[in-house]
Amino acid sequence: NAGVTQTPKFQVLKTGQSMTLQCAQDMNHEYMSWYRQDPGMGLRLIHYSVGAGITDQGEVPNGYNVSRSTTEDFPLRLLSAAPSQTSVYFCASKDSYFGELFFGEGSRLTVL
Amino acid sequence: GENVEQHPSTLSVQEGDSAVIKCTYSDSASNYFPWYKQELGKRPQLIIDIRSNVGEKKDQRIAVTLNKTAKHFSLHITETQPEDSAVYFCASKPQPWGADGLTFGKGTHLIIQP
Repeated sequence: NAGVTQTPKFQVLKTGQSMTLQCAQDMNHEYMSWYRQDPGMGLRLIHYSVGAGITDQGEVPNGYNVSRSTTEDFPLRLLSAAPSQTSVYFCASKDSYFGELFFGEGSRLTVL
Repeated sequence: GENVEQHPSTLSVQEGDSAVIKCTYSDSASNYFPWYKQELGKRPQLIIDIRSNVGEKKDQRIAVTLNKTAKHFSLHITETQPEDSAVYFCASKPQPWGADGLTFGKGTHLIIQP
């Protein structure tokens, strides 16, 4: 099993550009989520999904969209990139409500 | 919403000594408290977790204690080794059933001095 796979690993954007961070898991997990990690801030929840077709907002959802058309995939879309979105983004999945979160390797995004 | 405070932000201990990291949470409805370890440049990985109906849990050199009345929980690492050097994050799960996601503390950089 590959686990949780994120692409791209690195990306540089200009302010106002849009892009999609891809996330795929091969563990048949129902629960998936996106976090951002900033220095000294820990990890903050952006959006989450409890199953295909179901998504909801987390702590810091503004400027991001998600969709969950399949169990495997949970892409994160940046609509109009801003320098404040410069961060490391982690996708994660788990098999149950209290299950262990399995993280992807992270995607480092820089917005100029 | 939930707020998780984590202390200290940096902890330096001699190899072989014990390390303790403390967290407090604000939402009394929180019912699940995991700890994640993140080595430099790597992804966070779960090292231990505890549910709200349990006061203490151990796994070899690692233990977690929970005090629901005081709303705080702690990570204890005994006989520290160089490979314990990393950033440790506590987290809580405050959302009611139907919602999801963890609220993380800001992390503790644990340094093991040889």
